[in-house]
Amino acid sequence: GEDVEQSLFLSVREGDSSVINCTYTDSSSTYLYWYKQEPGAGLQLLTYIFSNMDMKQDQRLTVLLNKKDKHLSLRIADTQTGDSAIYFCAPEGTYNQGGKLIFGQGTELSVKP
Amino acid sequence: NAGVMQNPRHLVRRRGQEARLRCSPMKGHSHVYWYRQLPEEGLKFMVYLQKENIIDESGMPKERFSAEFPKEGPSILRIQQVVRGDSAAYFCASYGGVYLEETQYFGPGTRLLVL
Repeated sequence: GEDVEQSLFLSVREGDSSVINCTYTDSSSTYLYWYKQEPGAGLQLLTYIFSNMDMKQDQRLTVLLNKKDKHLSLRIADTQTGDSAIYFCAPEGTYNQGGKLIFGQGTELSVKP
Repeated sequence: NAGVMQNPRHLVRRRGQEARLRCSPMKGHSHVYWYRQLPEEGLKFMVYLQKENIIDESGMPKERFSAEFPKEGPSILRIQQVVRGDSAAYFCASYGGVYLEETQYFGPGTRLLVL
């Protein structure tokens, strides 16, 4: 089945850029999502990219997709302390898999003032 | 437009008891997914339901777990004879069912603690 890998921790200083990386195994995903989870909370959809795109920019967020290498990244510009959270990469399963999301373990982003 | 609602938000059960988790999807959504998040792990798919039908239950443990989504009312995830290893956060997500045009919207989760 699909496997999604993320590094577990990332620490940056306030104002710097953060880059969270994700690799996945199933190249047939149509949409690939990024979710944010704050402690004790549910998942907040941050952004997503359609599989025929290489890049998508949404305010401070930039998503890069390298389909050949099955690599997805999320860049957060001007990182703030409020961005501290766990970030999940989640490719969507194919239609015959019912569109279920396959989550990585999550990257815990720590932003230091 | 109300979002996805889950209740209870926190549930404490003793080993051997039953746990019932409820999920009310967004208005107009007829598809529900359940995911489980074990401590310090990512979310794992459990089951995908449409109204009155189980579409994919490949992620459900074979015993003690069941799910339903009746014609009227919320989706229910039921865990019989709970064990400590069932302690986790259980999230449901609803989806409008128009493939390629929508995403899944997550509820706040139910945190189950088995003593």
